[in-house]
Amino acid sequence: GAGVSQTPSNKVTEKGKYVELRCDPISGHTALYWYRQSLGQGPEFLIYFQGTGAADDSGLPNDRFFAVRPEGSVSTLKIQRTERGDSAVYLCASSSVGGSDTQYFGPGTRLTVL
Amino acid sequence: AQSVSQHNHHVILSEAASLELGCNYSYGGTVNLFWYVQYPGQHLQLLLKYFSGDPLVKGIKGFEAEFIKSKFSFNLRKPSVQWSDTAEYFCAVYNAGKSTFGDGTTLTVKP
Repeated sequence: GAGVSQTPSNKVTEKGKYVELRCDPISGHTALYWYRQSLGQGPEFLIYFQGTGAADDSGLPNDRFFAVRPEGSVSTLKIQRTERGDSAVYLCASSSVGGSDTQYFGPGTRLTVL
Repeated sequence: AQSVSQHNHHVILSEAASLELGCNYSYGGTVNLFWYVQYPGQHLQLLLKYFSGDPLVKGIKGFEAEFIKSKFSFNLRKPSVQWSDTAEYFCAVYNAGKSTFGDGTTLTVKP
């Protein structure tokens, strides 16, 4: 079946602009995760959704970052007033029921802030 | 806070050599441990995981890992690597909805 998909695959924006990154999880998966991966580092947890609600958003670095999952399926990560330090690959993963269930990762969105 | 340390940043081996990648974590409670692999141009994917029970866990493609609680370690092993094992390997610990990853080890296998 279809895996996790993310759009766009690449996004180049200018400092101060607003961006939205989209994640389509595997159909039926209730848990959805966002991570950020900078060059030479492992994925860094941002936020975890169980259904429509954010079960844990403690990894969001500041209030410029926000994520939604209004219908419990597709999720959007929103970044306001982008900064050069936001440049990274943003990864999305989903799992069937959450908890320690296996997470399936998408290909990521490479964000470059000029 | 939990953390994961992978000691080897880049490992270069010849085909048929044995592999061991180190992973240490810091968290005192019950943890679930994972190894993920990212082949060139592909997504992160699960190699193996440990939740409980037998501390020696077998995964895909001949990989295995051993959980040693007293050493807070979860090292990845493979007796004989192949060129196709060239990839980046990440160790991760999961607890209460949050996964913490190490910085990864790049493995290059020379044919």
